[in-house]
Amino acid sequence: DQQVKQNSPSLSVQEGRISILNCDYTNSMFDYFLWYKKYPAEGPTFLISISSIKDKNEDGRFTVFLNKSAKHLSLHIVPSQPGDSAVYFCAASDDGGFKTIFGAGTRLFVKA
Amino acid sequence: KAGVTQTPRYLIKTRGQQVTLSCSPISGHRSVSWYQQTPGQGLQFLFEYFSETQRNKGNFPGRFSGRQFSNSRSEMNVSTLELGDSALYLCASSYDRGSYEQYFGPGTRLTVT
Repeated sequence: DQQVKQNSPSLSVQEGRISILNCDYTNSMFDYFLWYKKYPAEGPTFLISISSIKDKNEDGRFTVFLNKSAKHLSLHIVPSQPGDSAVYFCAASDDGGFKTIFGAGTRLFVKA
Repeated sequence: KAGVTQTPRYLIKTRGQQVTLSCSPISGHRSVSWYQQTPGQGLQFLFEYFSETQRNKGNFPGRFSGRQFSNSRSEMNVSTLELGDSALYLCASSYDRGSYEQYFGPGTRLTVT
């Protein structure tokens, strides 16, 4: 039972354009959502997060949008850069962050 | 401040053997979680340790176990290895329970033949 789903295994975007990565969840008890980025041979690194009381959080080129009614969140990267090429994991947490559920990841390719 | 370290980085074992993986969290971090990453499955939560006690456990068989020491270092053990246990095992630490952001180590790549 996948509570956090990233339905696109991969995404290819031209440098300078917008990258939109999507994530759906099923558990309405999730109250905090995170995005992690992972390069090969490295562990995931925290990118950006959003609380369920918000619908948008922005940090530089990265913006996360949360639509609670649709149980959907998305990560926007504008403008996309070749260095953004990595696997992006969506994650959701409930119970005060004591347990985090990760999606399967989306591999982003940013072409120069 | 040093990051999360995991040893060994790579491991090849034979079916039926057992293996122990080690994780040293960031200094001062008291919570350690373990994840299994396989292609198409993302990061599957194994367990979380805090103050030397397992606080949370994922849906993995009893062959997967772990422990945490008084210095917050953690070990994970898998007994009677199966081919399906081949994966990247990631350790993550956070300052306290309820700290949403986790800091991951580079992982241990386990191959079972």
